[in-house]
Amino acid sequence: AQSVTQPDIHITVSEGASLELRCNYSYGATPYLFWYVQSPGQGLQLLLKYFSGDTLVQGIKGFEAEFKRSQSSFNLRKPSVHWSDAAEYFCAVGPRTDKLIFGTGTRLQVFP
Amino acid sequence: DTAVSQTPKYLVTQMGNDKSIKCEQNLGHDTMYWYKQDSKKFLKIMFSYNNKELIINETVPNRFSPKSPDKAHLNLHINSLELGDSAVYFCASSSQISGAGYTFGSGTRLTVV
Repeated sequence: AQSVTQPDIHITVSEGASLELRCNYSYGATPYLFWYVQSPGQGLQLLLKYFSGDTLVQGIKGFEAEFKRSQSSFNLRKPSVHWSDAAEYFCAVGPRTDKLIFGTGTRLQVFP
Repeated sequence: DTAVSQTPKYLVTQMGNDKSIKCEQNLGHDTMYWYKQDSKKFLKIMFSYNNKELIINETVPNRFSPKSPDKAHLNLHINSLELGDSAVYFCASSSQISGAGYTFGSGTRLTVV
C-alpha cells in the first residue's frame, strides 16, 4: 500500500536561512507527487507538483523540490525563508492525481 | 473569482443535531472531495465524487452522507453529531484530465458542544 511520511513534525528556522522539508513515500511505481502549504485558518494551496521529466521542479513563492527515485523522496527546499512562509506544509502522493494520500504535515516556524 | 467555496466557514452546534456543509466549484473540474482535518492537522479523505458518481467512500460513520446534485456541487450532511466530529472539513476539486492536483476550499470549522 502506498504511504507518505513527513519525518519532521515541527521545524524552526531564522528568517533568511535556507529550508529543507523532508518527504518520503512508499509506492511501487513513480507516483504523482505534490507539496501543499496551509496558512493558519486557510485551505491548502498547491506549491508544486511532479509527474515525470526533470526531477527538480520549481514552484510558487520561490520553492523547489527534487524527486529522488533511489531514496523515494521528494524534499521541498527554499534558499532563503521569509517570515510569511510560516505555515503547515503537506506532501501528497498518489497513483493518480485524483487519489492522493497526504502526509501528516510539517509545521514551519520562522524567527526574525 | 474561480474557486472552491464552502459554506459555512464556522459551525457550532450541539450534540445530536443534524447539519450540512455546502461546497461549490466553478473550475469545471470533474472530481470533488471531502477531507477531514483533525486537531493534529492530519488530513483524511472521506469521500470523492467523479461526475456525480461516488468513487471513494472511506470508512466513515454512516451518519455522514455526501450528496452531489451536479458535478459543480458536493454537499456533506451529518446526522446525530458527536463530539468527535469536531474538526475542519475541507472540500476540494480536481480535474482528471489536467492532472493539476487539488484545489481546496478554505474549510469549515465544525465544533460540536
